[in-house]
Amino acid sequence: ETGVTQSPTHLIKTRGQQVTLRCSSQSGHNTVSWYQQALGQGPQFIFQYYREEENGRGNFPPRFSGLQFPNYSSELNVNALELDDSALYLCASSLGQGGITEAFFGQGTRLTVV
Amino acid sequence: QQQVKQSPQSLIVQKGGISIINCAYENTAFDYFPWYQQFPGKGPALLIAIRPDVSEKKEGRFTISFNKSAKQFSLHIMDSQPGDSATYFCAARRAGGGNKLTFGTGTQLKVEL
Repeated sequence: ETGVTQSPTHLIKTRGQQVTLRCSSQSGHNTVSWYQQALGQGPQFIFQYYREEENGRGNFPPRFSGLQFPNYSSELNVNALELDDSALYLCASSLGQGGITEAFFGQGTRLTVV
Repeated sequence: QQQVKQSPQSLIVQKGGISIINCAYENTAFDYFPWYQQFPGKGPALLIAIRPDVSEKKEGRFTISFNKSAKQFSLHIMDSQPGDSATYFCAARRAGGGNKLTFGTGTQLKVEL
C-alpha cells in the first residue's frame, strides 16, 4: 500500500452537478498529480500541483480545477458534470519536480455520473 | 495523439511461462519509462522503471528491455504466476515535465494454471 489516500472511494452524481474529490499525499511528498482513467483505458493526466501552484495541465476543460493545501493534500473539483466524466479518478504524489522521482498512486475515486 | 503505443491489448500465458508486453513512443524528450501494475478496483502500482541510458533493468522476475534507437521498450515477466494476472501499463515522462506521465492503453494479462 502506498501512503496516498483518496476519498470518497465511490460517488454517484447527477449530470450538471459539481463534485469535489480529495487526496492526501504520501508523507513528505510535495507534488500531487490527478489522472482520469476511463474504463478499459490508461490514466490521462489532468493537472499537477507543486507547492500549492498548478504546474502543468493536460487536455481537460476549465471546469476541471484543483487546489493544493499547505500540507500538500489536494482537491479535484469538477463543475457541470457530464456523463463522460464517469471514470476512476486517481491521485499520485511524488517528491520534487525533476530527476527520477517515483509517482505513487492512491486507490482512486470511482465517479459515476447519471 | 497517442504518444505511447502498447501491445498486445490482452495476453494469456501459462503458469511458468514468459509474459512479454511491448511499448513504443514517439517523443524523444521522454527520459523516464515506468511500468505499472493495476488490479481491479485499485490504483496503479509502480513495478519497475528505466532511464534511456540503460538498455536493460532487472528486478526479480521483472525485466525492462529498452531500445533507444527504435524508441521501444518492453516488460518481460519470467516464471509468470496466477498472481501476476492484472492490467499492465507502460508510461513515459518528459524531461522537465514535472511528473506528468503519459500512459499506454494497457495490457490485460491472465496467467492460467
